[in-house]
Order: sequence, then C-alpha cells, then structure tokens
Amino acid sequence: GQQLNQSPQSMFIQEGEDVSMNCTSSSIFNTWLWYKQDPGEGPVLLIALYKAGELTSNGRLTAQFGITRKDSFLNISASIPSDVGIYFCAGQLGNTPLVFGKGTRLSVIA
Amino acid sequence: DAGVTQSPTHLIKTRGQQVTLRCSPKSGHDTVSWYQQALGQGPQFIFQYYEEEERQRGNFPDRFSGHQFPNYSSELNVNALLLGDSALYLCASSPPDSQYYGYTFGSGTRLTVV
Repeated sequence: GQQLNQSPQSMFIQEGEDVSMNCTSSSIFNTWLWYKQDPGEGPVLLIALYKAGELTSNGRLTAQFGITRKDSFLNISASIPSDVGIYFCAGQLGNTPLVFGKGTRLSVIA
Repeated sequence: DAGVTQSPTHLIKTRGQQVTLRCSPKSGHDTVSWYQQALGQGPQFIFQYYEEEERQRGNFPDRFSGHQFPNYSSELNVNALLLGDSALYLCASSPPDSQYYGYTFGSGTRLTVV
C-alpha cells in the first residue's frame, strides 16, 4: 500500500536541541496529521492541519501544511527525554483512509 | 472514560491457523477502523466498519475479514495465517459523522505467526 516519504528515518539529539522532520507525498492531501507512538502503544495525535500553508503549534511542537499540499514538516523545540518515540505523518484526501509515513525514530541523549 | 480497548495484547499462532482479534471503541464512538503495522513501518489501512457493515477496504486479501456488533465493538479475523501476517494490529474508533476524523487508536494486538 501507499506510504508517505518521511525523513529522517532516525535521529539522535542532545536534550535541549531543536528537532525538525518532514514528510512528502507524490499526491496531494487536504489534511495532514502528525502522531507520536511510544513502545507498546498506539499512535497519539499531536497536531492536525487542514489548510495549505497553515502553521499550527501545540506547546513545543510546530507543524506546517506545505503550500503544494504534498508535504508537511514538524518541529520540536528544546527537546526533553519524554520526546523519545516514533513520529508518524499521515495524509488524507477527502473522506478516505489515512495514509501514513514509515516514521521518524527520535532518541534524546540527556 | 476508557479509550479504545483491544484484546488480546499478544498472540502467537502457527502458519495456516485462524485468529480473531477484538476491539471495543471509545465511549460515544460508532465507527471502527483496523490497521496493520509491520515492524519498522507505518500503519496500513485494512478496513472500516460502520453500522455493522464494511464501509471501506484497503488493499488486503479476503483472508482478512471483520465484523461489527450492535454495541459498536468489532472483530478482525485472519484465516490461513502466513508468516508475513506477523504485525501489530491497531484498532481506531471515531465519533459519529466523523469517519476518519477524531481517531483514537488502541494499544494494539501484537500477532506473531511461527
């Protein structure tokens, strides 16, 4: 099945550093979502974006819906140990199932 | 308020066997979707149930089937298990008139086929 291109695949950062990850698609979406998944758990929604160009924040997280509607990025500022996990982007067009990326695995070194 | 509940949490089956996974949606939700998440991959949509009928289906063979009960709970059945069916199976529920919005995921059932 279709999956979005998510990069980087993994990253190791120092506590306090900022993090940036992105997601691209060959087709357009009208909704972009960012999820975090902890070990042994299901994905939890972090941010939802519904309009091209939209920039939305949730605490230390900021995400943007790309103008072309084919990409999105997520930034995490001043990372802390509990930010460890796998971050997934998901796109949606109309009333169709979500299409997920393969995830970015984030490790934070204290 | 309980979220989405899935059972069992872990399961080991032999090739060729059949398996049934169960999901209770979040209170107030009436739509249930099932996803398969292979190791190192993102979730892939299997199908969605609404009003006890399969409403949409992803690119999965007929060995994968499901059911939704009047209380909105759901089952995922997989027949003739293959090694490649080993994965985390996630259930997600959504509220009335939302279909794919307002998704809440369960913690999943880890299926290992040996």
